[in-house]
Amino acid sequence: GAVVSQHPSRVICKSGTSVKIECRSLDFQATTMFWYRQFPKQSLMLMATSNEGSKATYEQGVEKDKFLINHASLTLSTLTVTSAHPEDSSFYICSARAGSESEKLFFGSGTQLSVL
Amino acid sequence: GQNIDQPTEMTATEGAIVQINCTYQTSGFNGLFWYQQHAGEAPTFLSYNVLDGLEEKGRFSSFLSRSKGYSYLLLKELQMKDSASYLCAGLDSNYQLIWGAGTKLIIKP
Repeated sequence: GAVVSQHPSRVICKSGTSVKIECRSLDFQATTMFWYRQFPKQSLMLMATSNEGSKATYEQGVEKDKFLINHASLTLSTLTVTSAHPEDSSFYICSARAGSESEKLFFGSGTQLSVL
Repeated sequence: GQNIDQPTEMTATEGAIVQINCTYQTSGFNGLFWYQQHAGEAPTFLSYNVLDGLEEKGRFSSFLSRSKGYSYLLLKELQMKDSASYLCAGLDSNYQLIWGAGTKLIIKP
């Protein structure tokens, strides 16, 4: 099946610094990418939806100035957590969809962010 | 509103069969997914149903009844490695996934 590469897999940073997470579709063009965060023992929470070449659509309660999403190409989307705080510590996962066909949705391997 | 309901936790015995149920309410419907997620890892795709009926894939099968807003994931010949959370997700009319909270499946020897 299609592969979505996400890195880094784990990052530890100091409070106040910014962290960038990359999500790449390796063998298909991702027209839409989704960013989720997941707290321990909880389900995925959609943060934002990004379409190539346009601004991301953020879910209610997600600060767009804090979680910057860029989807500059059909194979790459980035999530930057700006001025990270300990409460931003979470598991962040991206997924990519090749087109409107619903079954073509693939997940990256996730990034565990720990903010000290 | 949109909602996905599934049990929080289930326990089964190695070698047995377990059925994880999911009921859904979505604005429009474009199918239902099941994902498996091991602790600390991203979800992996198991199945996708958009038509009524049972679809079998090896030890895993998934069933959908659109009229009842109901799906189940059936796992046969359970193995210890099947211990994981199983996420049910409905795809609404905007092709957005509505996620359930997941069912933690514990397999005992």
